[in-house]
Amino acid sequence: DQQVKQNSPSLSVQEGRISILNCDYTNSMFDYFLWYKKYPAEGPTFLISISSIKDKNEDGRFTVFLNKSAKHLSLHIVPSQPGDSAVYFCAAREGYGGATNKLIFGTGTLLAVQP
Amino acid sequence: GAGVSQSPSNKVTEKGKDVELRCDPISGHTALYWYRQRLGQGLEFLIYFQGNSAPDKSGLPSDRFSAERTGESVSTLTIQRTQQEDSAVYLCASSSRLIAGPLSTDTQYFGPGTRLTVL
Repeated sequence: DQQVKQNSPSLSVQEGRISILNCDYTNSMFDYFLWYKKYPAEGPTFLISISSIKDKNEDGRFTVFLNKSAKHLSLHIVPSQPGDSAVYFCAAREGYGGATNKLIFGTGTLLAVQP
Repeated sequence: GAGVSQSPSNKVTEKGKDVELRCDPISGHTALYWYRQRLGQGLEFLIYFQGNSAPDKSGLPSDRFSAERTGESVSTLTIQRTQQEDSAVYLCASSSRLIAGPLSTDTQYFGPGTRLTVL
């Protein structure tokens, strides 16, 4: 039972263009969403997050959009750079009220930015 | 360094042996998490420690898995009688966990992981 789904295992984009990575979830109790970036042989690195009380959060070239009614979020990277090539994981926090803070991860999307 | 560190980076073991994985969290972080990532899968939550509270062990896949944490420092994840399906990258994360609830922007910072291979 996959509560967080990233249906595109890979994405290829030209340098300078926009990269859009998508994520769907099923649990309406998720209250916080994060995107992590992972290079081979390294741990995931936090990229950007959004609370369920917002619909957009922007940080430089990275913007995350949340559509609660559709249970969908997306990460936009613009302009894309070759150094952005990595696996991107969408994660959702379970544990409204603070009992725990565990994250539920999607299976990741491999982004390749072509020079 | 100031990040989360894990050891060993790689571990190859024979089926049936016990293994112990170590995590050193970021200094001052009260919360510590263990996840694992099997090949082609997302990260799977295993266990969560927060201060002196009872750990959340809801993600441990079997009683062969256990973890300990000494205060707010080092944690060890132990897998007894390893099986081939235990092969995965085991990741540790820590966070400051200053506040709880929906306004918490508590971010988990991950270590590089331990790649476990059970032959």
